[in-house]
Amino acid sequence: EVVMTQSPATLSVSPGERITLSCRASQSISNNLAWYQQKPGQAPRLLIYGASTRATGIPARFSGSGSGTEFTLTISSLQSEDFAVYYCHQYSNWPRFGGGTKVEI
Amino acid sequence: QVQLVQSGAEVKKPGASMKVSCQASGYTFTHYFMHWVRQAPGQGLEWMGWINPHSGGTNYAQNFEGRVTMTRDTSISTVYMELTRLKSDDTAVYFCAREGRGPLIEGAFDIWGQGTMVIVSP
Repeated sequence: EVVMTQSPATLSVSPGERITLSCRASQSISNNLAWYQQKPGQAPRLLIYGASTRATGIPARFSGSGSGTEFTLTISSLQSEDFAVYYCHQYSNWPRFGGGTKVEI
Repeated sequence: QVQLVQSGAEVKKPGASMKVSCQASGYTFTHYFMHWVRQAPGQGLEWMGWINPHSGGTNYAQNFEGRVTMTRDTSISTVYMELTRLKSDDTAVYFCAREGRGPLIEGAFDIWGQGTMVIVSP
């Protein structure tokens, strides 16, 4: 079973900042990783799949990188609508999510 | 447009069963696997299993094996998730999520239902 660990748990930032969220897999998952954004009371929204491919309609300020066990999600210039919880998700074998990173003001 | 619409909130007693539906529209229902994911209040996301709407084949997470059953009705493009022997810690929002098709996206969840809140309380 692959365990996904996200860090930090909470990130306090200001609009306009560049931020990087981390996700680590307990064993190699190649590039079988997705990132989701979830706002309160809403379903998660797919941002990135294949570790680095933006989903349809996702702004270019979101980018993903990594392979194997280390992955990052970068938001180049944080907008007010980006304050949310972000989850990574490995789909190399049994699907498993990370614990999430809350991005707050 | 592509969407998944889930059934409404439920309140159940411990020991009872729940059954949540998820109706798909805007795409060919049988071409995409459907997954179920739940989220306890204030907690993260937990994968429960998938169903292949074409064949009816299923695969369940070990945590739910023996308690969960996923089915589908292709005539109305709907999948169902039934969870039995409910406990208080089954209180959660339950989401259906479509698995993407194509290079790299296969395995990721590209479309989500709005979620169904289920409360398990005496």
